[in-house]
Amino acid sequence: KAGVTQTPRYLIKTRGQQVTLSCSPISGHRSVSWYQQTPGQGLQFLFEYFSETQRNKGNFPGRFSGRQFSNSRSEMNVSTLELGDSALYLCASSKPSSEQFFGPGTRLTVL
Amino acid sequence: EDQVTQSPEALRLQEGESSSLNCSYTVSGLRGLFWYRQDPGKGPEFLFTLYSAGEEKEKERLKATLTKKESFLHITAPKPEDSATYLCAVQAPGNQFYFGTGTSLTVIP
Repeated sequence: KAGVTQTPRYLIKTRGQQVTLSCSPISGHRSVSWYQQTPGQGLQFLFEYFSETQRNKGNFPGRFSGRQFSNSRSEMNVSTLELGDSALYLCASSKPSSEQFFGPGTRLTVL
Repeated sequence: EDQVTQSPEALRLQEGESSSLNCSYTVSGLRGLFWYRQDPGKGPEFLFTLYSAGEEKEKERLKATLTKKESFLHITAPKPEDSATYLCAVQAPGNQFYFGTGTSLTVIP
């Protein structure tokens, strides 16, 4: 069974640009969550999508947005990038009320 | 406020020296507690799910236990390949997950 995949694996952007990250969940998983991981803050929850609807949202500014498609694939977008957005962005998929399985992450560097 | 605290932040063990990692939590209506292992630059790898106080799960040299306020990850006779960051997460109602900041484990040969 294929795991969670994320593309791209690495990104370098400059301040002010925008970026779109993609996540393909495990087949049959309809819940997709996004996290930001930095050395100082650990895993910070961004949002969760279930059946194309945002079900939960963390405490991040509106520059961070996401969506989910009918095949459960998800994208997250960050607009007007800031230096502090440099992080590992992780996607996780799960079945209802079950453990989350993580992808390898996208390493975003903002210069 | 729902919260997860892990201790210690870092732990260095000699190979074969057993120890325990702690995860304490405050969450209303716990739906599950999860342990993950994360290697540098990679996504967390799922280890265990615990649902109720008294429950225990084992996998190789790892054993996870759960009480009403905390969980322990016991590592018996660790090897250098057990070196990683171990993350604890709790699931609250509404499918909200809260993660601790992890314990960085180093096992010295």
